[in-house]
Amino acid sequence: DVLMTQTPVSLPVSLGGQVSISCRSSQSLVHSDGNTYLHWYLQKPGQSPQLLIYRVSNRFSGVPDRFSGSGSGTDFTLKISRVEPEDLGVYYCLQSTHFPYTFGAGTKLELK
Amino acid sequence: EVQLVESGGGLVQPGRSLKLSCAASGFTFSNYYMAWVRQAPKKGLEWVATISTSGSRTYYPDSVKGRFTISRDNAKSSLYLQMNSLKSEDTATYYCARRPYGGYVDYWGQGVMVTVSS
Repeated sequence: DVLMTQTPVSLPVSLGGQVSISCRSSQSLVHSDGNTYLHWYLQKPGQSPQLLIYRVSNRFSGVPDRFSGSGSGTDFTLKISRVEPEDLGVYYCLQSTHFPYTFGAGTKLELK
Repeated sequence: EVQLVESGGGLVQPGRSLKLSCAASGFTFSNYYMAWVRQAPKKGLEWVATISTSGSRTYYPDSVKGRFTISRDNAKSSLYLQMNSLKSEDTATYYCARRPYGGYVDYWGQGVMVTVSS
């Protein structure tokens, strides 16, 4: 199975600040069709996960442009600028290039 | 508005069976692959099963293959997960999710708790 390694595990932030979360895969996530199937989710406390970014850098409907995704191959980054209170929670990356699909272990974004 | 509502969870003894249901609304159910994703208490996310639009193709990770069966009824806009030979490690919140092309899930239900314990 593809191992997804997220860092850091915990990320203290000040409101209005900027942060980056890293997600590294044990294999290249470039599919034979040429696409890279790496996605990002946020799970707020007590809620279901919600999609933020799909296929590396595409923001899902309604997701503010404070969120941006980048990367290629095995190395991916989620950046959040001007952090707001509603951004707090656990962030997960997901790869769906290789079966079985696998998630990272999560990065908890919390206030300093 | 896309809505996914799970039901059927509860407390079950090891080795027994349980069937989860998910009622979908707000979109053309038959046009989408669907999936189940679970989350053990205080743990991360695990993809459990995927089903094609017609139901003819299903996919499972090794952790549940042979024990879990995903199915759907497009006429009823409903998704199911039959879970047999349950183990304590199957204890989790199970989420029903919509899976558009690209392998990700875009909408999730609120989740249903399954506890496997004697």
